[in-house]
Amino acid sequence: EDQVTQSPEALRLQEGESSSLNCSYTVSGLRGLFWYRQDPGKGPEFLFTLYSAGEEKEKERLKATLTKKESFLHITAPKPEDSATYLCAVQASRRGANSKLTFGKGITLSVRP
Amino acid sequence: GAGVSQSPRYKVAKRGQDVALRCDPISGHVSLFWYQQALGQGPEFLTYFQNEAQLDKSGLPSDRFFAERPEGSVSTLKIQRTQQEDSAVYLCASSAAGSRATDTQYFGPGTRLTVL
Repeated sequence: EDQVTQSPEALRLQEGESSSLNCSYTVSGLRGLFWYRQDPGKGPEFLFTLYSAGEEKEKERLKATLTKKESFLHITAPKPEDSATYLCAVQASRRGANSKLTFGKGITLSVRP
Repeated sequence: GAGVSQSPRYKVAKRGQDVALRCDPISGHVSLFWYQQALGQGPEFLTYFQNEAQLDKSGLPSDRFFAERPEGSVSTLKIQRTQQEDSAVYLCASSAAGSRATDTQYFGPGTRLTVL
């Protein structure tokens, strides 16, 4: 069974204080690892897809990295508008698997001005 | 272009009532997914369509849940005889590719169902 564990559950940062969010996963054949951002009352918004260990992707203050067991979402000099819940999900490549995503519980990030 | 839309955005039902939740995917998207998100949790897979074919319904919690996509575009998730444990946000997502492709799923805003 595919599993995704995110830590910490919640993170409070001061504006400008860089940090990292962790996503540990187990999957029988990784097709892709996805990061989404979710604001209260809204659906998840796509951020990144990572496909293989060693891959990195960046977007503004966010950088996502991937190893064989975990992914990190690094936030550099965060701003209050980065406050949201960040969701990590995996997609399996094993035979018979469809494209469904298995999500973690999410990390709620609060950035104080 | 237009994203995924869902209606209604909010639904309050009395226990035992039937409800129908609608999803309009991005035009031309082959794959459509339904997820259930409980408060404070990540989304959980319910069912998957490729065009009009329902290829996976392994996540549906009981036979009270039914989904359809008759013409391969709009989808409806129906819950019969609603129970309090059905209260959650129901998310719809669509993607351009078929089942063997890695592709981005784009989510709608969700329907928040509250069963009293």
